[in-house]
Amino acid sequence: AQSVTQLDSQVPVFEEAPVELRCNYSSSVSVYLFWYVQYPNQGLQLLLKYLSGSTLVKGINGFEAEFNKSQTSFHLRKPSVHISDTAEYFCAVSVLGGATNKLIFGTGTLLAVQP
Amino acid sequence: DAGVTQSPTHLIKTRGQQVTLRCSPKSGHDTVSWYQQALGQGPQFIFQYYEEEERQRGNFPDRFSGHQFPNYSSELNVNALLLGDSALYLCASSSRAGQTVTDTQYFGPGTRLTVL
Repeated sequence: AQSVTQLDSQVPVFEEAPVELRCNYSSSVSVYLFWYVQYPNQGLQLLLKYLSGSTLVKGINGFEAEFNKSQTSFHLRKPSVHISDTAEYFCAVSVLGGATNKLIFGTGTLLAVQP
Repeated sequence: DAGVTQSPTHLIKTRGQQVTLRCSPKSGHDTVSWYQQALGQGPQFIFQYYEEEERQRGNFPDRFSGHQFPNYSSELNVNALLLGDSALYLCASSSRAGQTVTDTQYFGPGTRLTVL
């Protein structure tokens, strides 16, 4: 079975500071990795995904993530955050070769950007 | 280009009642997945429909059932509602495109169900 762990439930950060949201996963098979963002009272929006190739993935809104197979991690980073980045961020995996593209999510990290 | 749409936006029911939630996929998509997101939790996979058939199911009881129509829209039905069914129900659509699991899922805004 697969699982996703987001160790930080909330990350407070000042505007224009860098931020890292941590994600670790557990799986006995290869997985694809995703980060989604959820703004208040909205659905999920895809930030970025890792399927194969370069382990550094760039996404929308200036976010990037690095896949580390040995550490089974997929941490999300942004060099300078804005107030508008305040949202819930979810890390997710889907199984390579699985029956469907169902997603398994972590519990989320609330990024709270302060002025 | 319309994205994934869901209706209704909010719904209040009482224990024991039945509810039906609706989803229209993004244009060009033929696969619909449903997720339950309890307060403070990540979304949990309920099931996925493709070609009007349930293709995979998560760890949810039979009270949760679904349907996909020929136009690819979908319904989620929950019978005998429990207080614990209160959650945000998210619909996601994708394109099978040869049944590759790399197909990105696009999410709708969700239906907030409150069971009293």
